[in-house]
Amino acid sequence: SQQGEEDPQALSIQEGENATMNCSYKTSINNLQWYRQNSGRGLVHLILIRSNEREKHSGRLRVTLDTSKKSSSLLITASRAADTASYFCATEDYGGATNKLIFGTGTLLAVQP
Amino acid sequence: DTGVSQNPRHKITKRGQNVTFRCDPISEHNRLYWYRQTLGQGPEFLTYFQNEAQLEKSRLLSDRFSAERPKGSFSTLEIQRTEQGDSAMYLCASTPLWTGEGEQYFGPGTRLTVT
Repeated sequence: SQQGEEDPQALSIQEGENATMNCSYKTSINNLQWYRQNSGRGLVHLILIRSNEREKHSGRLRVTLDTSKKSSSLLITASRAADTASYFCATEDYGGATNKLIFGTGTLLAVQP
Repeated sequence: DTGVSQNPRHKITKRGQNVTFRCDPISEHNRLYWYRQTLGQGPEFLTYFQNEAQLEKSRLLSDRFSAERPKGSFSTLEIQRTEQGDSAMYLCASTPLWTGEGEQYFGPGTRLTVT
């Protein structure tokens, strides 16, 4: 089963603009991760934020986490055409021994050159 | 540094046939995961290996599915008597036993089409 919803389902912006996508989840978490998937390919890890962190930056990425609302957001600044991809949030199975990931439904980002 | 590899990348099969996929994780990664992803959805967990031991299976993994990791290195996922509903991308991921961060390294996936 999916962990939660991502919003929006699809987003189209112009190169240079910022892109914001949101993720909601259902259970308690150890951490929340964001992955990128180019069309029809495997996933690439972008950034991880722990449950005791509220904000984290990595290059052009900024992630926020609000555990009281069980939500996270991913901001990509100064977007490029190469950022066109699907973006997924994922949480680790809380309290489990396997650290399996539970993914959201994804946001499809299209950056127009 | 070689990443996770999966073979074949694409497989087209007729309903009722058996198929087998292979995953080669990053060397020395003890943990290995299989996920399935259908169109427009996020990946869903199928099964987990720690070394050669299969420690968790999702209820998505029906009796027609079997996975092995005989020597704690590569893994295979077999689907018997395939059905059209099995059409999906099958993803493999690996991590060291202790990552400290939880990041999983994914292979490119095997896209299965059942006709």
